[in-house]
Amino acid sequence: EPEVTQTPSHQVTQMGQEVILRCVPISNHLYFYWYRQILGQKVEFLVSFYNNEISEKSEIFDDQFSVERPDGSNFTLKIRSTKLEDSAMYFCASSAQGQLNEKLFFGSGTQLSVL
Amino acid sequence: AQSVAQPEDQVNVAEGNPLTVKCTYSVSGNPYLFWYVQYPNRGLQFLLKYITGDNLVKGSYGFEAEFNKSQTSFHLKKPSALVSDSALYFCAVRDKGGYQKVTFGTGTKLQVIP
Repeated sequence: EPEVTQTPSHQVTQMGQEVILRCVPISNHLYFYWYRQILGQKVEFLVSFYNNEISEKSEIFDDQFSVERPDGSNFTLKIRSTKLEDSAMYFCASSAQGQLNEKLFFGSGTQLSVL
Repeated sequence: AQSVAQPEDQVNVAEGNPLTVKCTYSVSGNPYLFWYVQYPNRGLQFLLKYITGDNLVKGSYGFEAEFNKSQTSFHLKKPSALVSDSALYFCAVRDKGGYQKVTFGTGTKLQVIP
């Protein structure tokens, strides 16, 4: 089965630094998402992306966050100035058609640790 | 607003016994409901979904879930648990009248004891 791949698997950064988390969605998928999971807590929606623009975002996704699909295959999440509370597992996901009932395919995640 | 509640942090069941993982939801309209499973160091994997029609839906690995509109529940079930079913299970909901956002619960750790 095709997979969503994420790199790196672990990222350690200093508070205030910028980080870029990378994802390669499944090749024929059109809708892309970022979720995060703080240790022991629920999986939280951050943002959805379609047709080269954000289609929906949560209150977590403030001005420190941005997403980009720079080259038609990668899908990145940038955190401009990391905070301690940004430490979490970040999951990328994609779906084929964006129908409301379409299942999501998730990557294995990037564990971000902000020190 | 849409939300999901998974009241049990952990469920322990003996191998071969039936298992149930509970989920209740809240949406303003009609729901799309999902179950995902997460194995260690892996992303979430789709198990099954309820869209419309039969209240009992069947999914991967012998799992099934029952949609109960009056109780706003979508409990995950399996007739006979396997040790390999041990994992973290997430219930999720999307409002049919909403957009792309899927809301997940906090997850329930299923431990199947040999």
